[in-house]
Amino acid sequence: KAGVTQTPRYLIKTRGQQVTLSCSPISGHRSVSWYQQTPGQGLQFLFEYFSETQRNKGNFPGRFSGRQFSNSRSEMNVSTLELGDSALYLCASSLELAGGASYEQYFGPGTRLTVT
Amino acid sequence: GENVEQHPSTLSVQEGDSAVIKCTYSDSASNYFPWYKQELGKGPQLIIDIRSNVGEKKDQRIAVTLNKTAKHFSLHITETQPEDSAVYFCAASILGGGADGLTFGKGTHLIIQP
Repeated sequence: KAGVTQTPRYLIKTRGQQVTLSCSPISGHRSVSWYQQTPGQGLQFLFEYFSETQRNKGNFPGRFSGRQFSNSRSEMNVSTLELGDSALYLCASSLELAGGASYEQYFGPGTRLTVT
Repeated sequence: GENVEQHPSTLSVQEGDSAVIKCTYSDSASNYFPWYKQELGKGPQLIIDIRSNVGEKKDQRIAVTLNKTAKHFSLHITETQPEDSAVYFCAASILGGGADGLTFGKGTHLIIQP
């Protein structure tokens, strides 16, 4: 079974621009989460989508947004990029269990975003 | 919200020795505790996890222990090998990572000395 895939793998943008990152979950996984990884703050939860709906959101400004499509693929968008947005953006998918809980999360390789 | 502390930040052990990484969490409602291994240029890889109704879980050379009363859990790697060198992250969540997001520790850089 193929793992989580993310595109593009590397991206360089200029301050003020916007960017869209894409994630394809493991086949059959309907929950997709996004995380930001930086040397200073570590791994931080951005948001999670299930059935095209955002269920949970971390403590990030409104410039960070996302969406999920009917095939469970997800995109995240960052508008008005700042230097501090330079990070590795990771997508993870998981299988939803009965009752709403889900457990194992499997990560993709990430998209390395550099803002200059 | 949940806060996860991880120690040590760097751990150097001789090949063949054991390595132990410890984490504490703050939210007593957390009930799912995974461990991830991240190699350079790759995403985190789930290596083992434990749920709150279990005190210990083993998978070959890797084991995780959980003390809910003290709110801490640990990763144990025995007979370490060069390929164990990586950054290891602990995490915690209430409903499981997909439903409410994982809160991660800051990571431990494990170095296996030949």
